[in-house]
Amino acid sequence: QPQLQESGPGLVKASETLSLTCTVSGNSISSSGYYWGWIRQPPGKGLEWIGTFLYGGNTYYNPSLKGRVTMSADTSENHFSLELTSVTASDTAVYYCARLAYSYGSLAEPWDHWGQGTLVTVSS
Amino acid sequence: SYVLTQPPSVSVAPGETASITCGGSDIGGKSVHWYQQKPGQAPVLVIHYDTARPSGIPERFSASNSGNTATLTLSGVEAGDEADYFCQVWDRSSDHCVVFGGGTKLTVL
Repeated sequence: QPQLQESGPGLVKASETLSLTCTVSGNSISSSGYYWGWIRQPPGKGLEWIGTFLYGGNTYYNPSLKGRVTMSADTSENHFSLELTSVTASDTAVYYCARLAYSYGSLAEPWDHWGQGTLVTVSS
Repeated sequence: SYVLTQPPSVSVAPGETASITCGGSDIGGKSVHWYQQKPGQAPVLVIHYDTARPSGIPERFSASNSGNTATLTLSGVEAGDEADYFCQVWDRSSDHCVVFGGGTKLTVL
């Protein structure tokens, strides 16, 4: 079973860039058929999808965040990253990285493995 | 953009049956997944592909999906089922968005 672990600063200043890394063990992020992604949850609120990517394939971002979000992957370290620019207080959230269940090309699969999440607070 | 609507809260006595709905336009034509989230923990998949239980999920968890409503049903509710529950779909038509419902807090009285 894969394990995912988020890492990065817990505090980011407003207008700066939030950067997080998700280190994966037990599953190569370049394995065909597996999509990876980021999901966040503001304190006391619901889940918000940030983006999904397939290594060597397409990347999809939440339109509400487009222009500010970039996802990338490093197969040598078997990790993938999230960058969110120009952050504001509304970006304060627990950020989860997750794996989509094996896909034959559809994104309709469930998120079957999640990291424990990391709280990022944006300070003014 | 596609919207999923869940009731903010549902309360049930131990041993009873709880139903949590997830409304969306023609949601019956999409695959719905349900997640359980306990305080301070990551979500856990409890139902996938509308009605299927992943390995390790008790038979007390069941679900249906038809028309404009998907429903998660917990039979014989236990205190340990108290959690937030989220429905989720993928919407191909809106930039391949992953959409979550707002979540329902299940309280075991």
